[in-house]
Amino acid sequence: KAGVTQTPRYLIKTRGQQVTLSCSPISGHRSVSWYQQTPGQGLQFLFEYFSETQRNKGNFPGRFSGRQFSNSRSEMNVSTLELGDSALYLCASSSGPGNSGNTIYFGEGSWLTVV
Amino acid sequence: EDQVTQSPEALRLQEGESSSLNCSYTVSGLRGLFWYRQDPGKGPEFLFTLYSAGEEKEKERLKATLTKKESFLHITAPKPEDSATYLCAVQAPDNFGNEKLTFGTGTRLTIIP
Repeated sequence: KAGVTQTPRYLIKTRGQQVTLSCSPISGHRSVSWYQQTPGQGLQFLFEYFSETQRNKGNFPGRFSGRQFSNSRSEMNVSTLELGDSALYLCASSSGPGNSGNTIYFGEGSWLTVV
Repeated sequence: EDQVTQSPEALRLQEGESSSLNCSYTVSGLRGLFWYRQDPGKGPEFLFTLYSAGEEKEKERLKATLTKKESFLHITAPKPEDSATYLCAVQAPDNFGNEKLTFGTGTRLTIIP
């Protein structure tokens, strides 16, 4: 059974540009959540989608957005990139929504460097 | 606000030297407490989920326990391949009733051959 797949694995962008990251959850999982991981802040919750609806959102500016498609695949977008957006972006999936206590499985992440 | 604190930040052990990692939390309405292992440059790998005080789970050299205020990850006779960062996370509703995972900053474990 394939795990959570994230693309691209590595990318470099310039300040002011935008970026789109993609995530394919584990087959059968309908919940997808996104996290930002940096050395200083650790893992920070961005948002969660379940059945194409955003269920929850962390404390990030509006430049960070996401969506989920009918096949449960998800994308996140960051516009007007800043140097501080350099981080490992992790996607995670679970079979149920965030309030169900289901185990959450992570992908390998997308390393974003903003120069 | 939910808080998750892991200690120690870093731990160096000799191969075979058993020890414990601590995760203390302050949340209301705990749904679950999760332990993950993360290797450098990779995503967190799921280890355990604990739901209620008194619960214990084991996997190879690892054993996780849970009380009302903290969780321990016990490592028995560790091997060098156990070297990694171990992350603890709690799932609980926020003030608006939304559920999310709150992570600790992790314990970086190094096992010396």
